[in-house]
Amino acid sequence: EDKVVQSPLSLVVHEGDTVTLNCSYEVTNFRSLLWYKQEKKAPTFLFMLTSSGIEKKSGRLSSILDKKELFSILNITATQTGDSAVYLCAVEPGNQFYFGTGTSLTVIP
Amino acid sequence: EAQVTQNPRYLITVTGKKLTVTCSQNMNHEYMSWYRQDPGLGLRQIYYSMNVEVTDKGDVPEGYKVSRKEKRNFPLILESPSPNQTSLYFCASRPGLPYEQYFGPGTRLTVT
Repeated sequence: EDKVVQSPLSLVVHEGDTVTLNCSYEVTNFRSLLWYKQEKKAPTFLFMLTSSGIEKKSGRLSSILDKKELFSILNITATQTGDSAVYLCAVEPGNQFYFGTGTSLTVIP
Repeated sequence: EAQVTQNPRYLITVTGKKLTVTCSQNMNHEYMSWYRQDPGLGLRQIYYSMNVEVTDKGDVPEGYKVSRKEKRNFPLILESPSPNQTSLYFCASRPGLPYEQYFGPGTRLTVT
């Protein structure tokens, strides 16, 4: 059965810290891995990764995929209180999407 | 403005009373999908549609129906809602591969 596991489940850090969120997966016919940010409303898209070893970057956020080891990480540097949210990882095998349960990040001023 | 809209945004209903949650997108996207989100279980896909008149089951289709008669609309139908369908529902669309999904604002459904 296809599966997506995120860790840690929750994280509390201070502003300015760097965090690494993990997503491991077991799916057949892998097509892409996506990261979303959810702040008490609809998820908003962060990154889509399809190729192994290529880092995607947007400001203080970056993500990389390892297709051999079946995982991805999302890094956030110099965290701000506005980064507080649930971060969701999703994997697309074929035409379906499987989401992990998310990592809840709280950034304390 | 490019968007996915859902209606209603909040709904409280009783067991067994048929309901429909509408979803519409104005981006001419081919792919549309419904998810439910429950604490501790994350987002789970209910149904998806690759194009008009093409629908497929996701991970948790039991108790739900969908239709895709037009490209822009993808309603979710609960013929006989039960309390275990109390959840937060999201509709999403994407233009196709290899693009991300755009989510609607969500519909919070309570079945008593």
